[in-house]
Amino acid sequence: DSGVTQTPKHLITATGQRVTLRCSPRSGDLSVYWYQQSLDQGLQFLIQYYNGEERAKGNILERFSAQQFPDLHSELNLSSLELGDSALYFCASSVGDGGYEQYFGPGTRLTVT
Amino acid sequence: ELKVEQNPLFLSMQEGKNYTIYCNYSTTSDRLYWYRQDPGKSLESLFVLLSNGAVKQEGRLMASLDTKARLSTLHITAAVHDLSATYFCAVATGGGADGLTFGKGTHLIIQP
Repeated sequence: DSGVTQTPKHLITATGQRVTLRCSPRSGDLSVYWYQQSLDQGLQFLIQYYNGEERAKGNILERFSAQQFPDLHSELNLSSLELGDSALYFCASSVGDGGYEQYFGPGTRLTVT
Repeated sequence: ELKVEQNPLFLSMQEGKNYTIYCNYSTTSDRLYWYRQDPGKSLESLFVLLSNGAVKQEGRLMASLDTKARLSTLHITAAVHDLSATYFCAVATGGGADGLTFGKGTHLIIQP
């Protein structure tokens, strides 16, 4: 158990809908990262927050957005969902924002039908 | 654009043998990560390599980093069945931020 928690574990929704994935980092960690894992694209970095501020952006679609709250938990919002958004979404956390070990949560499996 | 290539992508080996997984990356970076993923599970951090010449060992696994060659290796010594998993290397995107670019993963099967 990495200490990173993610909810929900599974999510099934229809095309065009909007969902919110939640992540709580390990106690003391200030950075939160979101990654997407799919068979087609592999593991892709989406976005990083550090202490409430956006720190880096990867291959995040405009339909997706994220934020980190004052208690350091983070939410990833996915809207106008398409079949191709079906994937495993991981949150990771680290104590700092450069060169630190990233601990991955158990993931949220999103299925878009 | 940073590219990370792993090889081999699939490896079947016998218990007791040694083997090496290679990870090449395309642009300068001094932060290299190795992860393990079991089927249906999350990623488990194995090693973080932060400087040229860094070498880290944990049990039967040893990782090294050559930043000049842009190459990291993960060496498996006297493999055992429990090491069967998919192994990913990942490189930090740089600029101080730490979003990782992952290789496609090496699916390792160790047979008795």
